[in-house]
Amino acid sequence: NAGVTQTPKFQVLKTGQSMTLQCAQDMNHEYMSWYRQDPGMGLRLIHYSVGAGITDQGEVPNGYNVSRSTTEDFPLRLLSAAPSQTSVYFCASRIENSPLHFGNGTRLTVT
Amino acid sequence: GQQLNQNPQSMFIQEGEDVSMNCTSSSIFNTWLWYKQDPGEGPVLLIALYKAGELTSNGRLTAQFGITRKDSFLNISASIPSDVGIYFCAGPIQGAQKLVFGQGTRLTINP
Repeated sequence: NAGVTQTPKFQVLKTGQSMTLQCAQDMNHEYMSWYRQDPGMGLRLIHYSVGAGITDQGEVPNGYNVSRSTTEDFPLRLLSAAPSQTSVYFCASRIENSPLHFGNGTRLTVT
Repeated sequence: GQQLNQNPQSMFIQEGEDVSMNCTSSSIFNTWLWYKQDPGEGPVLLIALYKAGELTSNGRLTAQFGITRKDSFLNISASIPSDVGIYFCAGPIQGAQKLVFGQGTRLTINP
């Protein structure tokens, strides 16, 4: 049982480049979410999904897109990376009324 | 948006000492969660609290759900080196669709 798997672990982008952060879970969790972690600010919710085909915005959605075509996968897209998006990104999932399970994160640097 | 404020933001202690940290909010929460993040990994749930006044233990960790429902406390007794990490409080909002986190308390232990 792999849990929540995030790829890549590290990524460096130049300003304006696009990329997709991958997240997959094998626990048949309906709920999936993306957070970013910045020093002194804790974890802030970017987008979340309560099931396949359904997504919604969190606290800091600007500059990010998501889609949920399957229960297992919840990719996060940066269409035009900016230095302010330098952060550590965490994907998390859960079943209803249970705590979140987190992946090990993707460390993104935008130069 | 709703904020959770954690104190202290960082702690430097000697091995064997007890640790206390807290989390406060201007809003009422029906659930309080405490997570720990080891370096290079995602947060892992330590303790979940569901009722005002509840006191719950997990080994050397004890957490309390404040009577006002606007705060929570985490204590660690007889700290050991593996307690090093960042501790986050968290609480669900908007019908539990979103989980908000505090800024974290970074614990450093001198052997």
